[in-house]
Amino acid sequence: QVQLQESGPGLVKPSQTLSLTCTVSGGSISSSGYYWSWIRQHPGKGLEWIGYIYYSGSTSYNPSLKSRVTMSVDTSKNQFSLKLSSVTAADTAVYYCARQLRGDYTFDYWGQGTLVTVSS
Amino acid sequence: SSELTQDPAVSVALGQTVRITCQGDSLRNYYASWYQRKPGQAPLLVIYGKNNRPSGIPDRFSGSSSGDTASLTITGAQAEDEADYYCNSRDSSANHVVFGGGTKLTVL
Repeated sequence: QVQLQESGPGLVKPSQTLSLTCTVSGGSISSSGYYWSWIRQHPGKGLEWIGYIYYSGSTSYNPSLKSRVTMSVDTSKNQFSLKLSSVTAADTAVYYCARQLRGDYTFDYWGQGTLVTVSS
Repeated sequence: SSELTQDPAVSVALGQTVRITCQGDSLRNYYASWYQRKPGQAPLLVIYGKNNRPSGIPDRFSGSSSGDTASLTITGAQAEDEADYYCNSRDSSANHVVFGGGTKLTVL
């Protein structure tokens, strides 16, 4: 059973960079059939796809966030990471990592999510 | 349009059938996937593709699509089905993913 777990600071100051890591267990992040994604949910709002990374390092980002997002992968640790720069209060959200079927938009495994608050 | 629209809340009597809908232009070209989210738990994929259920998902969950609307049907709703349900698909004008706003299902 694949499991994903987000980790990182729960509080980030405005204008700084939000950094989160997702650790994958029960499966290899180097599997060819999957992308590794980040999704967020603002309080009281719907889900927003942030982007994905493939084990090779190739990425695809949501155009609305592309200028501020960087994703990376560490296959040796079975982890992938998200960096979101120049954060504001509008980036306060629950951040999920998830496994996305390659070439598809379906997410078959999710982490439990981590709340990140942007505040001084 | 890159938006998927869901009713904010739906209720169903225990044991009855409920349909949760998701509307958007991209659904004319792509199926919706559906996710169940309970408080404090990770979202759970319940339907994907034309009408596929991952292993472990009860067969009371089914999916269908017509025109720009996708539907998740729960036939014989159980108390444990009370949750938020989200649809998602691919944006029809760009190569990225879109989600609906979610539907809160109450089982009475």
